[in-house]
Amino acid sequence: AQKITQTQPGMFVQEKEAVTLDCTYDTSDQSYGLFWYKQPSSGEMIFLIYQGSYDEQNATEGRYSLNFQKARKSANLVISASQLGDSAMYFCAMRPSQGAQKLVFGQGTRLTINP
Amino acid sequence: KAGVTQTPRYLIKTRGQQVTLSCSPISGHRSVSWYQQTPGQGLQFLFEYFSETQRNKGNFPGRFSGRQFSNSRSEMNVSTLELGDSALYLCASSLGVAAYQETQYFGPGTRLLVL
Repeated sequence: AQKITQTQPGMFVQEKEAVTLDCTYDTSDQSYGLFWYKQPSSGEMIFLIYQGSYDEQNATEGRYSLNFQKARKSANLVISASQLGDSAMYFCAMRPSQGAQKLVFGQGTRLTINP
Repeated sequence: KAGVTQTPRYLIKTRGQQVTLSCSPISGHRSVSWYQQTPGQGLQFLFEYFSETQRNKGNFPGRFSGRQFSNSRSEMNVSTLELGDSALYLCASSLGVAAYQETQYFGPGTRLLVL
């Protein structure tokens, strides 16, 4: 079975600072995908970034980057130059290789950006 | 391209009633997955439909069911509602043809309150 652990229930960061949200995962699969989603108070899950288990380079999407350390089974999200609009819940998720389109989610981290 | 749409956005029902939620995927996407989000259990996978067939199912009682139409639109039904069914129900769509690499895109969700 797959498991995602996000150990930071909440984080408070000053605007324009960089922030790292932690994510560790547990799987016996060799092939898997790791995803980060942002959920504002409105409820919609917004896709941010993807990392495949065989990708040698860390994924980047604008201000978002994923610090992927396969041996440590960690996939931390880094947000550079945080903005007030980044305040939201952030979820790390994993999809295993076998069949299912199912995503396994962590419990999330609530990020608050202070002006 | 239009995103995933879900209707209704908000719903209030009483115990024992049944409810039907609707999801229209992104054009061209053939896979629709449903998730339940509660404060206590987090995000949990309900089921996935692909080409009008249920392809995967999570650990939910038979009161939770769904279907998919030929245009890939999906409906989810919950019969004999219980207080614990109060949740945000999220629908996600994807092409459904790749394995772990494929990104799921979520709709805005339906907030269900059972009184």
